[in-house]
Amino acid sequence: QSALTQPASVSGSPGQSIAISCTGTSSDVGSNNLVSWYQQHPGNAPKLMIYEGTKRPSGVSDRFSGSKSGNTASLTISGLQADDEADYFCCSYAGRNTLVFGGGTKLIVL
Amino acid sequence: EVQLVESGGGLVQPGGSLRLSCAASGFYFDDYHMDWVRQAPGKGLEWVGRIRNKAYSHTTEYAASVRGRFTISRDASKNSLYLQVNSLMSEDTAVYYCARGGHNWYIHYWGQGTLVTVSS
Repeated sequence: QSALTQPASVSGSPGQSIAISCTGTSSDVGSNNLVSWYQQHPGNAPKLMIYEGTKRPSGVSDRFSGSKSGNTASLTISGLQADDEADYFCCSYAGRNTLVFGGGTKLIVL
Repeated sequence: EVQLVESGGGLVQPGGSLRLSCAASGFYFDDYHMDWVRQAPGKGLEWVGRIRNKAYSHTTEYAASVRGRFTISRDASKNSLYLQVNSLMSEDTAVYYCARGGHNWYIHYWGQGTLVTVSS
């Protein structure tokens, strides 16, 4: 199972909106609504930000939203803040009872 | 508060074995699927496997890269999750995270991880 494809880095200024893409195939991202997104600050464990494509866990800001079109899922962060600077990983159910992650995207807040 | 605390990591020679443990608290352990995820130094996340909850008879699933070498188990009496790792290779060097799965295919809560280094 190949990793999902994410851009290595994305940048934006405070207050702006950015989107991080996550491209898979018709066997994973394109076949279900089971994409999740995780935020990881350096030295810390990942944190769930979006699950089942569009849902936010309790406590996650509504500045974070998820969407999907075809084989590509996206995480959008609006009203960018300094603390949003982190690595972001997408993840999808990949069939045969397995999960696959993306390679990760470093978000830089300018 | 959900807490997951891993232990058992360390330095091991190629071909060696380790047993990682994860102590869970703050939730009813047997109600939840549990996962292991690893992260090689400076790299991305890799799902290792899952053990389902009691309702799903504790069945297990593994990533192809570890199937046959790694075994996930759990002990409800100790609120603990385990990962037995055998025939270790340098590519297995990583921080291993214990995680509580969601009701579907996602990972909700994560421990802080334990580092496994495979080197001679």
